[in-house]
Amino acid sequence: EAQVTQNPRYLITVTGKKLTVTCSQNMNHEYMSWYRQDPGLGLRQIYYSMNVEVTDKGDVPEGYKVSRKEKRNFPLILESPSPNQTSLYFCASRTANTGELFFGEGSRLTVL
Amino acid sequence: LAKTTQPISMDSYEGQEVNITCSHNNIATNDYITWYQQFPSQGPRFIIQGYKTKVTNEVASLFIPADRKSSTLSLPRVSLSDTAVYYCLVGDPFMDSNYQLIWGAGTKLIIKP
Repeated sequence: EAQVTQNPRYLITVTGKKLTVTCSQNMNHEYMSWYRQDPGLGLRQIYYSMNVEVTDKGDVPEGYKVSRKEKRNFPLILESPSPNQTSLYFCASRTANTGELFFGEGSRLTVL
Repeated sequence: LAKTTQPISMDSYEGQEVNITCSHNNIATNDYITWYQQFPSQGPRFIIQGYKTKVTNEVASLFIPADRKSSTLSLPRVSLSDTAVYYCLVGDPFMDSNYQLIWGAGTKLIIKP
């Protein structure tokens, strides 16, 4: 089954404790992206990647890092989480020649 | 980036046809119009995409007038499970390498028995 898998789905952590949210897709998509969704603000793009070893900032990259060492994986790293990073995070992917984004189930992160 | 305007919320009843209209006055020549559906705490799911006139698939139809400044998503014979938030987005998935989209608040559709 074609899917985008995120882990963990839920996480409660404390300020400053490094964490990684993993994202993996099994559709051989070139493009992957991370979004955060906050009430009243819609989905905002954090980082995106056009292919392996090619990443770039989205609209709200501060406090986040990403890497794309393999085509299927695109982890989101919070080196020193802060409470304002409490949010619902989504990973998405697509092929280079379509407009259809495939989203993961989401990861709800709470930073205390 | 083209911004869209759509109603904040809509109500309808099971079995009815629902039409959600989206305004995108500054749509660019290469932009496509795409609709997504999102259930609470789930990722958005692609519904339909079009460039002009009419597009139909197994779940919805998309009507786009000649000036492309608006579009209408039509959901035939809705059921309770169609209760969700619907997003209208415009962007160029082919020339824009990032395919950057502006996700607004969407339209919260509530289907009643």
